[in-house]
Amino acid sequence: QVQLQESGPGLVKPSGTLSLTCVVSGGSLSSSNWWTWVRQTPGKGLEWIGEIYHAGSTNYNPSLKSRVTISIDKSKNQFSLKLSSVTAADTAMYYCADEAEIWGQGTLVTVSS
Amino acid sequence: DIQMTQSPSSLSASVGDRVTITCRASQSISNFLNWYQQKPGKAPKLLIYTASSLQSGVPSRFSGSGSGTHFTLTITSLQPEDFATYYCQQSYNTPRTFGQGTKLEIK
Repeated sequence: QVQLQESGPGLVKPSGTLSLTCVVSGGSLSSSNWWTWVRQTPGKGLEWIGEIYHAGSTNYNPSLKSRVTISIDKSKNQFSLKLSSVTAADTAMYYCADEAEIWGQGTLVTVSS
Repeated sequence: DIQMTQSPSSLSASVGDRVTITCRASQSISNFLNWYQQKPGKAPKLLIYTASSLQSGVPSRFSGSGSGTHFTLTITSLQPEDFATYYCQQSYNTPRTFGQGTKLEIK
């Protein structure tokens, strides 16, 4: 049974870069076509950040595209999110997921000095 | 971007009731529509995919219907564990937008 676990700093300074990793356990990155990052804030609800195909191609939300990079590391069975130039508006619960079914538990990232 | 609009935003109901939540897309998305349930402090849980397919392990009191721009999630005979927030999401194209959510509360 595939499980996902997010990890990364819970606190990021304004103008810095948010970096999160999602480890896939109990299965392979090739078990799903697309791997996804979603975030959730009380004010904006669920926001789709972007996705990466297991072969490496990506799609990003245009609203974040200039700041987002999603990458994949098959050797470690994980994929990652980088969001640059963060502000308080990027404070959110960040989830990794497959195309729809399997989600990580989420990790709270706060942007504050 | 495709806009997804859910109604109502909140709903009060009693155990045993039948409830229906509506999701409308700003353009046709065929049947590329997922429904999720989210409880406080938990990740969303997939209930329905491709508008009407029940995810494995989800009780049969949940059902989805619709195509094009109009979709519904119906829960028959509400159970205590069904009180949660429900979201629709289109998977027709990117960005894969979500509705704003419908909070189902106990009356």
